Amino acid sequence: DAGVIQSPRHEVTEMGQEVTLRCKPISGHDYLFWYRQTMMRGLELLIYFNNNVPIDDSGMPEDRFSAKMPNASFSTLKIQPSEPRDSAVYFCASSFWGDETQYFGPGTRLLVL
Amino acid sequence: AQSVTQLGSHVSVSEGALVLLRCNYSSSVPPYLFWYVQYPNQGLQLLLKYTSAATLVKGINGFEAEFKKSETSFHLTKPSAHMSDAAEYFCAVSERSNYQLIWGAGTKLIIKP
Repeated sequence: DAGVIQSPRHEVTEMGQEVTLRCKPISGHDYLFWYRQTMMRGLELLIYFNNNVPIDDSGMPEDRFSAKMPNASFSTLKIQPSEPRDSAVYFCASSFWGDETQYFGPGTRLLVL
Repeated sequence: AQSVTQLGSHVSVSEGALVLLRCNYSSSVPPYLFWYVQYPNQGLQLLLKYTSAATLVKGINGFEAEFKKSETSFHLTKPSAHMSDAAEYFCAVSERSNYQLIWGAGTKLIIKP
């Protein structure tokens, strides 16, 4: 298996622009997690899905952030409008029922100027 | 609520010396416990996990961890550090009810030549 795939790997954008991050979980996994990692705040869970349904979005920082999972093999995290404080590494992870191990993608490094 | 405490944001050891990274957790139910490693500019990778079988768990790259219920600890050790072990290490505990992982703040392991 190819593992969790994230795109793009790097994104540089200007404040106010819309940013879309993409994730393809491991085939057969039914849980998908979005995390944000910064030096100041460490690793934060933003939202997670089970069987494509959002279960807990209490970590989403503001209404500017939204996430969708239209099918079992694809999820997006959107920031609109982006701000410099959104600069971070965003990780997607997946797991399957019966095994709580989370498998991480390589991350998207976002820089908002 | 469950929580994870990693003692020491940075740990420095000499090459060939014992590595000890500390993790304490709080949990009201028998936990699943994890150690992940993050190399620079990469995603998190599972090092080892405890799921209520043997209390001494062996992982990749010569690491092992021992679950001590009486001390609510799950410390990570390696007998002899190698330069390639330089990375950040995260301890996590599973909220068994919802597949979320509660993360420690991470410990950056520095290896001195």
